[in-house]
Amino acid sequence: QKEVEQDPGPLSVPEGAIVSLNCTYSNSAFQYFMWYRQYSRKGPELLMYTYSSGNKEDGRFTAQVDKSSKYISLFIRDSQPSDSATYLCAIAGTALIFGKGTTLSVSS
Amino acid sequence: GAGVSQSPSNKVTEKGKDVELRCDPISGHTALYWYRQSLGQGLEFLIYFQGNSAPDKSGLPSDRFSAERTGGSVSTLTIQRTQQEDSAVYLCASSRDRWTQPQHFGDGTRLSIL
Repeated sequence: QKEVEQDPGPLSVPEGAIVSLNCTYSNSAFQYFMWYRQYSRKGPELLMYTYSSGNKEDGRFTAQVDKSSKYISLFIRDSQPSDSATYLCAIAGTALIFGKGTTLSVSS
Repeated sequence: GAGVSQSPSNKVTEKGKDVELRCDPISGHTALYWYRQSLGQGLEFLIYFQGNSAPDKSGLPSDRFSAERTGGSVSTLTIQRTQQEDSAVYLCASSRDRWTQPQHFGDGTRLSIL
């Protein structure tokens, strides 16, 4: 079993839709959870960072962590074409492990 | 700007040549990381620096790859005798201190080996 698994997509949604992106992880020692957004030909950009179970909200973005299920999610409300990018989860314990990313396309 | 800066942004070279990639981290960030990203692949960890020391270089794929960091700031990744499979985007990231602090990335160097 891979340490971090993320569905690569691609995921295509219409503008205004709610998007759910997910990752699962195998090591219960992981303590820190991040979501990055990567536009084409750019480096990953940190979106959300949390270390506790529950929800963390920032504008249209909500990060959700369920440590008991080893499952994390990123929700995007009122999605916009500018949200079209690859989203990477990253989970840290004694090292930082990235998921392979989910490619999202939001059409206007 | 105050972000991580990488140069060159693009590099095309012939197989067998040596290349040097440079990373300027965010000022004050003591931790620095190199990753490789190939088309359709995730981020592959290469090496981690804390200050000028590299306590984890487990991801370097072969002895053709080396990296150094000087003055606790700028880092250089060197690939000797490049091979076509070295073609990828090389990303540098820095963080404030610990391994688990959020990492901030540069836009990478896109390396193409002919």
